[in-house]
Amino acid sequence: QSVLTQPPSVSGAPGQRVTISCTGSRPNIGAPYDVHWYQQLPGTAPKLLIHGDSNRPSGVPDRFSGSKSGTSASLAISGLQAEDEGDYYCQSYDSSLSGYVFGTGTKVTVL
Amino acid sequence: QLQLQESGPGLAQPSETLSLTCTVSGGSISGSRYYWAWIRQPPGKGLEWIGTIHYSGSTYYNSSLKGRVAMSVDTSKNQFSLKLSSATAADTAVYYCSHSRSQLGAFEIWGQGTMVAVSS
Repeated sequence: QSVLTQPPSVSGAPGQRVTISCTGSRPNIGAPYDVHWYQQLPGTAPKLLIHGDSNRPSGVPDRFSGSKSGTSASLAISGLQAEDEGDYYCQSYDSSLSGYVFGTGTKVTVL
Repeated sequence: QLQLQESGPGLAQPSETLSLTCTVSGGSISGSRYYWAWIRQPPGKGLEWIGTIHYSGSTYYNSSLKGRVAMSVDTSKNQFSLKLSSATAADTAVYYCSHSRSQLGAFEIWGQGTMVAVSS
């Protein structure tokens, strides 16, 4: 049972913008601890997409952006492309659990 | 550029200890800003953090694993290891090793993952 809740799935047509929410609580996102986002394409290991709430590692397209407010965070994908299909996870630290927690994961489908 | 590679048996016996090793290349495991982690993913499910270790020996474990986890670092081999005791079918998963540059930092680099099935 994850303490970070994400919608099971989101979808959009090529070129559209989609957003994925990550809802937490005061011991984690609301503390506030940093939120990180990972992309997992089919059959591959997760890849860091956003760190420290809104920072993109080198090589990640600026179509991906992150934000945080209160006890929630969001990942936006603009200009959706077929290659973006996969699973996306948020992650943070939880002081009540004294450990790192991942979101429930969201499957992105390009229509 | 750091690279990580998991290795270990693909099958573990119920009630026995599941053991995996992660080999680090492209850098030293002894970097003071380096933290090394294990994360797993049961088939068709989400990601679960197992534990994190600093080369100094400081360890941080997922409390839900109820004391079954032990991690260690071998600086001479540039490797770190995971032992998960009293394995059950619920421990069947793809196990990933990963790296972060600070204790609360993101998991920046991941290994390709190794599948471990717990079954007799």
